[in-house]
Amino acid sequence: SAVISQKPSRDICQRGTSLTIQCQVDSQVTMMFWYRQQPGQSLTLIATANQGSEATYESGFVIDKFPISRPNLTFSTLTVSNMSPEDSSIYLCSAGGTLNTEAFFGQGTRLTVV
Amino acid sequence: LAKTTQPISMDSYEGQEVNITCSHNNIATNDYITWYQQFPSQGPRFIIQGYKTKVTNEVASLFIPADRKSSTLSLPRVSLSDTAVYYCLVGEGMNRDDKIIFGKGTRLHILP
Repeated sequence: SAVISQKPSRDICQRGTSLTIQCQVDSQVTMMFWYRQQPGQSLTLIATANQGSEATYESGFVIDKFPISRPNLTFSTLTVSNMSPEDSSIYLCSAGGTLNTEAFFGQGTRLTVV
Repeated sequence: LAKTTQPISMDSYEGQEVNITCSHNNIATNDYITWYQQFPSQGPRFIIQGYKTKVTNEVASLFIPADRKSSTLSLPRVSLSDTAVYYCLVGEGMNRDDKIIFGKGTRLHILP
């Protein structure tokens, strides 16, 4: 199994500013993913964080708004840039395992933009 | 990725067995069926995965008919702490390096 730590767990930010969310895994994993979850809604995949190359973004998400870093096999960051109240959400990090293991999720970062 | 359909919400009582059915008519030959559970203010947690017939672990059972176009997650003797959202996912292989696309899930509410 893998344990995922996300920081911060929550934050309140001013519009127009940026927030970087960190995701640390306690073991090396090949794939890491970032999701967004609006209150009462399901998870929406933002992007796949690729180690050593640019992240792969899902439709509706762009690198300028959500730049992602993946410097090694245990760590990734997601930045929410130039925030607006519409970015208020829970952001979750996920790590995929090797064959025959399930995906693991962090506790999430609850972001409120005012 | 095969599209899944599951009830939006369900209510049950403590001590009852709860069955949540998921339809996946377009499941492919290589697809596995996986269920995740999400408690409020937490990330999703893997419950169970299967390919055909029946799979059981300490948490739940997963029943998959021969045509694999649906599956049923069975939670025995639920308690209040089983109140959560349950997601049915269908995807190729057991390689969790694949990205996971979540559907709407089933919001299960256990009553005392």
